[in-house]
Amino acid sequence: GNSVTQMEGPVTLSEEAFLTINCTYTATGYPSLFWYVQYPGEGLQLLLKATKADDKGSNKGFEATYRKETTSFHLEKGSVQVSDSAVYFCALNPSGGYQKVTFGIGTKLQVIP
Amino acid sequence: IAGITQAPTSQILAAGRRMTLRCTQDMRHNAMYWYRQDLGLGLRLIHYSNTAGTTGKGEVPDGYSVSRANTDDFPLTLASAVPSQTSVYFCASSEGTSGDHNEQFFGPGTRLTVL
Repeated sequence: GNSVTQMEGPVTLSEEAFLTINCTYTATGYPSLFWYVQYPGEGLQLLLKATKADDKGSNKGFEATYRKETTSFHLEKGSVQVSDSAVYFCALNPSGGYQKVTFGIGTKLQVIP
Repeated sequence: IAGITQAPTSQILAAGRRMTLRCTQDMRHNAMYWYRQDLGLGLRLIHYSNTAGTTGKGEVPDGYSVSRANTDDFPLTLASAVPSQTSVYFCASSEGTSGDHNEQFFGPGTRLTVL
Protein backbone atom coordinates (compact mmCIF):
# COMPACT_ATOMS: atom_id res chain seq x y z
CA GLY A 1 0.00 0.00 0.00
CA ASN A 2 0.87 3.67 -0.01
CA SER A 3 2.89 5.19 2.82
CA VAL A 4 4.65 8.39 3.81
CA THR A 5 7.59 8.47 6.21
CA GLN A 6 8.77 11.56 8.06
CA MET A 7 10.40 12.14 11.43
CA GLU A 8 8.05 13.10 14.25
CA GLY A 9 10.39 15.55 15.92
CA PRO A 10 10.28 17.91 17.57
CA VAL A 11 12.87 19.73 15.51
CA THR A 12 14.23 22.72 17.40
CA LEU A 13 16.07 25.45 15.50
CA SER A 14 17.28 28.93 16.22
CA GLU A 15 15.83 31.78 14.22
CA GLU A 16 17.48 32.19 10.79
CA ALA A 17 18.74 28.58 10.74
CA PHE A 18 18.37 26.34 7.69
CA LEU A 19 15.51 23.85 7.80
CA THR A 20 15.22 20.42 6.23
CA ILE A 21 12.38 18.04 7.01
CA ASN A 22 12.78 14.74 5.23
CA CYS A 23 9.87 12.96 3.58
CA THR A 24 10.00 9.70 1.67
CA TYR A 25 7.10 7.83 0.18
CA THR A 26 5.98 4.50 -1.19
CA ALA A 27 3.38 4.46 -3.93
CA THR A 28 2.75 2.94 -7.33
CA GLY A 29 2.58 5.12 -10.40
CA TYR A 30 2.98 8.87 -10.19
CA PRO A 31 1.36 10.34 -7.09
CA SER A 32 0.89 14.03 -6.39
CA LEU A 33 2.87 15.19 -3.36
CA PHE A 34 1.93 17.83 -0.79
CA TRP A 35 3.22 19.57 2.29
CA TYR A 36 0.61 20.82 4.74
CA VAL A 37 1.22 23.03 7.78
CA GLN A 38 -0.75 23.12 11.01
CA TYR A 39 -0.31 26.15 13.24
CA PRO A 40 -1.24 25.77 16.93
CA GLY A 41 -4.97 25.41 17.47
CA GLU A 42 -5.80 25.37 13.76
CA GLY A 43 -6.58 22.91 11.01
CA LEU A 44 -4.11 21.90 8.32
CA GLN A 45 -3.56 24.16 5.34
CA LEU A 46 -1.73 23.48 2.11
CA LEU A 47 1.82 24.85 2.06
CA LEU A 48 3.01 23.62 -1.35
CA LYS A 49 2.55 20.81 -3.83
CA ALA A 50 4.12 19.07 -6.83
CA THR A 51 2.31 16.90 -9.30
CA LYS A 52 5.08 15.29 -11.36
CA ALA A 53 8.70 14.24 -11.14
CA ASP A 54 11.26 17.07 -10.89
CA ASP A 55 8.56 19.65 -10.13
CA LYS A 56 9.49 22.10 -7.40
CA GLY A 57 6.75 23.44 -5.15
CA SER A 58 7.39 26.68 -3.30
CA ASN A 59 5.54 29.04 -0.98
CA LYS A 60 6.42 31.46 1.84
CA GLY A 61 10.14 30.71 1.41
CA PHE A 62 9.62 26.94 1.67
CA GLU A 63 10.58 24.63 -1.19
CA ALA A 64 10.33 20.93 -1.97
CA THR A 65 11.34 19.02 -5.10
CA TYR A 66 9.59 15.86 -6.30
CA ARG A 67 12.39 13.29 -6.66
CA LYS A 68 11.07 10.10 -8.17
CA GLU A 69 14.45 8.36 -8.27
CA THR A 70 14.75 8.63 -4.47
CA THR A 71 10.98 8.71 -3.78
CA SER A 72 11.45 11.83 -1.71
CA PHE A 73 9.89 15.26 -1.22
CA HIS A 74 12.05 16.98 1.39
CA LEU A 75 10.92 20.35 2.73
CA GLU A 76 13.53 23.12 2.97
CA LYS A 77 13.69 26.74 4.04
CA GLY A 78 16.80 28.86 4.05
CA SER A 79 16.08 30.98 7.11
CA VAL A 80 13.33 30.04 9.55
CA GLN A 81 11.40 32.49 11.70
CA VAL A 82 9.64 32.05 15.04
CA SER A 83 6.35 32.31 13.14
CA ASP A 84 7.24 29.09 11.26
CA SER A 85 6.77 27.08 14.46
CA ALA A 86 4.10 24.53 13.53
CA VAL A 87 3.54 20.90 12.63
CA TYR A 88 4.39 19.98 9.02
CA PHE A 89 2.72 17.05 7.25
CA CYS A 90 3.96 15.40 4.09
CA ALA A 91 1.20 13.75 2.05
CA LEU A 92 0.64 11.92 -1.21
CA ASN A 93 -2.33 11.38 -3.44
CA PRO A 94 -2.05 8.37 -5.74
CA SER A 95 -2.72 8.80 -9.43
CA GLY A 96 -6.12 7.77 -10.74
CA GLY A 97 -9.62 8.60 -9.62
CA TYR A 98 -11.26 8.13 -6.20
CA GLN A 99 -7.98 7.91 -4.34
CA LYS A 100 -7.39 8.76 -0.70
CA VAL A 101 -4.64 11.04 0.53
CA THR A 102 -2.03 9.38 2.73
CA PHE A 103 -0.53 11.65 5.38
CA GLY A 104 2.76 11.32 7.21
CA ILE A 105 2.77 11.43 10.99
CA GLY A 106 3.70 15.13 11.08
CA THR A 107 6.93 16.84 12.18
CA LYS A 108 6.76 19.45 14.91
CA LEU A 109 9.06 22.43 14.34
CA GLN A 110 9.99 24.79 17.15
CA VAL A 111 11.92 27.94 16.26
CA ILE A 112 13.48 29.80 19.16
CA PRO A 113 14.54 33.46 19.04
CA ILE B 1 -15.94 32.99 2.09
CA ALA B 2 -15.95 30.81 5.20
CA GLY B 3 -14.51 27.65 3.64
CA ILE B 4 -15.23 24.87 6.10
CA THR B 5 -16.94 25.37 9.41
CA GLN B 6 -17.17 22.84 12.22
CA ALA B 7 -19.31 22.78 15.33
CA PRO B 8 -18.93 22.58 18.20
CA THR B 9 -15.42 23.91 18.76
CA SER B 10 -15.04 21.67 21.78
CA GLN B 11 -17.20 19.31 23.77
CA ILE B 12 -16.98 17.21 26.91
CA LEU B 13 -19.22 14.18 26.68
CA ALA B 14 -20.19 11.40 29.05
CA ALA B 15 -19.46 7.87 27.87
CA GLY B 16 -22.47 6.23 26.28
CA ARG B 17 -23.96 9.46 24.98
CA ARG B 18 -24.73 10.12 21.35
CA MET B 19 -22.97 13.03 19.68
CA THR B 20 -23.02 14.59 16.21
CA LEU B 21 -20.17 16.73 14.97
CA ARG B 22 -21.25 19.13 12.28
CA CYS B 23 -19.32 20.12 9.17
CA THR B 24 -20.37 22.52 6.41
CA GLN B 25 -18.44 23.72 3.37
CA ASP B 26 -19.33 26.53 0.98
CA MET B 27 -16.87 25.75 -1.81
CA ARG B 28 -19.17 23.29 -3.65
CA HIS B 29 -16.49 20.63 -3.33
CA ASN B 30 -17.44 17.12 -4.36
CA ALA B 31 -15.45 15.18 -1.77
CA MET B 32 -15.50 15.46 2.02
CA TYR B 33 -13.61 13.67 4.77
CA TRP B 34 -13.48 13.17 8.50
CA TYR B 35 -10.14 12.64 10.24
CA ARG B 36 -9.12 12.22 13.83
CA GLN B 37 -5.77 13.51 15.07
CA ASP B 38 -4.07 11.84 18.00
CA LEU B 39 -0.63 12.46 19.46
CA GLY B 40 1.92 10.12 17.91
CA LEU B 41 -0.55 8.75 15.37
CA GLY B 42 -0.93 11.68 12.99
CA LEU B 43 -4.14 11.98 10.97
CA ARG B 44 -6.35 8.95 10.46
CA LEU B 45 -9.26 8.86 8.04
CA ILE B 46 -12.57 7.87 9.63
CA HIS B 47 -15.08 8.18 6.77
CA TYR B 48 -15.23 9.91 3.43
CA SER B 49 -17.68 10.89 0.73
CA ASN B 50 -16.64 11.21 -2.91
CA THR B 51 -19.90 12.89 -3.93
CA ALA B 52 -23.23 13.79 -2.37
CA GLY B 53 -25.26 10.66 -1.67
CA THR B 54 -22.25 8.35 -1.27
CA THR B 55 -20.04 7.51 1.70
CA GLY B 56 -17.19 5.13 2.42
CA LYS B 57 -15.18 3.76 5.31
CA GLY B 58 -11.70 4.99 6.04
CA GLU B 59 -8.96 3.59 8.21
CA VAL B 60 -10.76 3.79 11.60
CA PRO B 61 -14.55 3.74 10.99
CA ASP B 62 -15.73 1.67 13.95
CA GLY B 63 -18.04 3.55 16.31
CA TYR B 64 -18.70 6.35 13.80
CA SER B 65 -21.27 6.94 11.09
CA VAL B 66 -21.71 9.66 8.47
CA SER B 67 -24.27 10.85 5.97
CA ARG B 68 -24.04 13.09 2.90
CA ALA B 69 -27.53 14.24 2.04
CA ASN B 70 -26.27 17.26 0.09
CA THR B 71 -23.05 18.76 -1.21
CA ASP B 72 -22.42 21.13 1.69
CA ASP B 73 -22.97 19.10 4.86
CA PHE B 74 -21.17 16.05 6.20
CA PRO B 75 -22.07 15.27 9.83
CA LEU B 76 -20.18 12.69 11.87
CA THR B 77 -22.13 10.78 14.52
CA LEU B 78 -20.83 8.85 17.51
CA ALA B 79 -23.73 6.56 18.42
CA SER B 80 -22.43 5.67 21.90
CA ALA B 81 -19.25 7.52 22.80
CA VAL B 82 -16.32 5.76 24.47
CA PRO B 83 -13.20 7.28 26.07
CA SER B 84 -10.98 6.06 23.22
CA GLN B 85 -12.86 8.48 20.96
CA THR B 86 -11.31 11.39 22.82
CA SER B 87 -9.49 13.22 20.04
CA VAL B 88 -9.41 16.26 17.81
CA TYR B 89 -11.66 15.79 14.80
CA PHE B 90 -11.06 17.53 11.49
CA CYS B 91 -13.44 17.79 8.59
CA ALA B 92 -11.93 18.41 5.16
CA SER B 93 -13.08 18.79 1.57
CA SER B 94 -11.54 18.63 -1.88
CA GLU B 95 -12.69 19.58 -5.35
CA GLY B 96 -12.10 16.06 -6.63
CA THR B 97 -10.25 12.92 -5.72
CA SER B 98 -7.51 12.53 -8.33
CA GLY B 99 -4.08 14.10 -8.61
CA ASP B 100 -3.80 17.69 -7.46
CA HIS B 101 -7.59 18.01 -7.47
CA ASN B 102 -7.34 16.25 -4.15
CA GLU B 103 -5.84 19.30 -2.42
CA GLN B 104 -7.66 19.20 0.88
CA PHE B 105 -9.15 22.15 2.75
CA PHE B 106 -9.52 21.66 6.47
CA GLY B 107 -11.89 23.01 9.05
CA PRO B 108 -10.66 24.38 12.41
CA GLY B 109 -11.35 21.13 14.25
CA THR B 110 -13.53 19.91 17.12
CA ARG B 111 -11.83 18.90 20.36
CA LEU B 112 -13.87 16.07 21.90
CA THR B 113 -13.33 14.63 25.37
CA VAL B 114 -15.24 11.51 26.39
CA LEU B 115 -15.26 10.81 30.12
